[in-house]
Amino acid sequence: DTAVSQTPKYLVTQMGNDKSIKCEQNLGHDTMYWYKQDSKKFLKIMFSYNNKELIINETVPNRFSPKSPDKAHLNLHINSLELGDSAVYFCASSQGYQGAFFGQGTRLTVV
Amino acid sequence: DQQVKQNSPSLSVQEGRISILNCDYTNSMFDYFLWYKKYPAEGPTFLISISSIKDKNEDGRFTVFLNKSAKHLSLHIVPSQPGDSAVYFCAASFPNRDDKIIFGKGTRLHILP
Repeated sequence: DTAVSQTPKYLVTQMGNDKSIKCEQNLGHDTMYWYKQDSKKFLKIMFSYNNKELIINETVPNRFSPKSPDKAHLNLHINSLELGDSAVYFCASSQGYQGAFFGQGTRLTVV
Repeated sequence: DQQVKQNSPSLSVQEGRISILNCDYTNSMFDYFLWYKKYPAEGPTFLISISSIKDKNEDGRFTVFLNKSAKHLSLHIVPSQPGDSAVYFCAASFPNRDDKIIFGKGTRLHILP
């Protein structure tokens, strides 16, 4: 009974490719996020959506584009992948003052 | 199977007192532990961390204690302030620096005036 699910869990791809990571939450939350885990295990927020509207858009390359077809989904599309995009990406959702629920993360490896 | 557990979903503490947030883990291979703080509708921000070779790390009002034998860590906030009201996430990672962080489900801390 997964609350926040990301697919795929592992993604290995070549430089220059375009790939998407999908995220779905079944909690009825209004807000969803994408984070990038850096080498020091810090989480850097990339995007935040509330009811399908973009709320937070941190400084990330234009090659990263979030898409929220509905409140339960927030997908991350990455164009022209570069070696430096290799990282773990987390999706999360939250509702008001409730705690956030994290997905299991997607390990992206660009070769 | 939850590898990082925060068994208290919420906690209320009087302003000025000590807040203690607890976290238990099941995998003895974890070697690095982190605490994140999250305000409503914002993303979690890193608060403090501790390596498994230490049993205490202090940063201002925040101290994290690690008890490896009990597989338990705690975050102490002294003194608690109104701005500390937030959700706190415990997280853990393995020795491989490329491994994912494993998160607990969070504890909501409410500081009472």
